[in-house]
Amino acid sequence: EIVMTQSPATLSISPGERATLSCRASQSVGSNLAWYQQKPGQAPRLLIYGASTRATGIPARFSGSGSGTEFTLTISSLQSEDFVVYYCQQYNNWPPAYTFGQGTKLEIE
Amino acid sequence: QVQLQESGPGLVKPSETLSLTCTVSSGSIGDYYWSWIRQPPGKGLEWIGHIYYSGSTNYNPSLKSRVTISVDTSKKQFSLKLSSMTAADTAVYYCASFDFRGFDYWGQGALVTASS
Repeated sequence: EIVMTQSPATLSISPGERATLSCRASQSVGSNLAWYQQKPGQAPRLLIYGASTRATGIPARFSGSGSGTEFTLTISSLQSEDFVVYYCQQYNNWPPAYTFGQGTKLEIE
Repeated sequence: QVQLQESGPGLVKPSETLSLTCTVSSGSIGDYYWSWIRQPPGKGLEWIGHIYYSGSTNYNPSLKSRVTISVDTSKKQFSLKLSSMTAADTAVYYCASFDFRGFDYWGQGALVTASS
């Protein structure tokens, strides 16, 4: 199983600042990496796929980078609605055994 | 825009089988792999498995012995059965679509509690 490790678990940061979230895979997943945002009581929403491509309707302040085992989600200027939980997920295996990171929670400093 | 809706009992007795159905609307069932994902209260996400419209399935190895996913293309539905439920299986169960770009459409989720 490919283990996905996100850091930090919680990020305390102020609105308007730039947030950098990290995701590390226990073995290479190429660019087969997605990021999701989850608001309380809601299903996750796909933000980024292919490590760096924004999904339809996702604001430009969200960007993804990385390949292999190290990935980053950057939110360039935090809005109030961005202070929720973010998950990374790899989809590299076949047959699939897709795995998620444990999540990073953004909280207002 | 694909829309998904889970349905099924919210309470299952320990040792019994969870059964959930996901109905696909506003989309073709042939366009995606159809997945089940779960999230225990306050915890992270776990992929359970998926099915293609042809009936081909793949399951999470950690759950494979207890999981069956099936599809009914005529009704545009796919279903999850998870046997031998325990308290550790209490979770919100989501259905979602997957097309090798990630899980792009999700149902609202169904909370299933294993309790007597």
